Amino acid sequence: AQSVSQHNHHVILSEAASLELGCNYSYGGTVNLFWYVQYPGQHLQLLLKYFSGDPLVKGIKGFEAEFIKSKFSFNLRKPSVQWSDTAEYFCAVNGGGATNKLIFGTGTLLAVQP
Amino acid sequence: DTAVSQTPKYLVTQMGNDKSIKCEQNLGHDTMYWYKQDSKKFLKIMFSYNNKELIINETVPNRFSPKSPDKAHLNLHINSLELGDSAVYFCASSPPFAGDSYEQYFGPGTRLTVT
Repeated sequence: AQSVSQHNHHVILSEAASLELGCNYSYGGTVNLFWYVQYPGQHLQLLLKYFSGDPLVKGIKGFEAEFIKSKFSFNLRKPSVQWSDTAEYFCAVNGGGATNKLIFGTGTLLAVQP
Repeated sequence: DTAVSQTPKYLVTQMGNDKSIKCEQNLGHDTMYWYKQDSKKFLKIMFSYNNKELIINETVPNRFSPKSPDKAHLNLHINSLELGDSAVYFCASSPPFAGDSYEQYFGPGTRLTVT
């Protein structure tokens, strides 16, 4: 069965610090990978996605993620965080196909201190 | 324009009641979904409809019944509400499955509180 692990449940950083959030998935076939962000009290928004091609993908607000197939990982990075990046971050995977079912990780709560 | 909308945003009700949550998307998408986010923020898919046809039905109690009158709407009806049903319910939609069209667009969520 597909699964997604996010190892950091709660991360606290100061502004301007660099960020890396880990995501590992378990799936034997071709995968599509996503990072979603949920700001306090808001709905999920797509940060970035990987379907194929360049394993380094760039998303909105200066975020990027690298797909490393051999490690089954899709870590999220940002070189310099801002207070406004405080949010919950969710990694998700689907195997495509007819159902397009997204499997989410448990989320990482990022708190950026000014 | 709101792409995926849900009503109501908040719903407080007592155990045993029956309630519905409505979802509408104006993106012209074929597929719609319901997800449940529990108190620990864990998101899990419940149902998915493609062109009004049920294609995903996870292990959800029979008290939950989705209904899709047309491909722009997917409503969720819950019978005999229980305390454990308290959660945030998110609706989502996605374009047809082709190319890079697996992205799902989420609604604002409905916070259901059962007392």
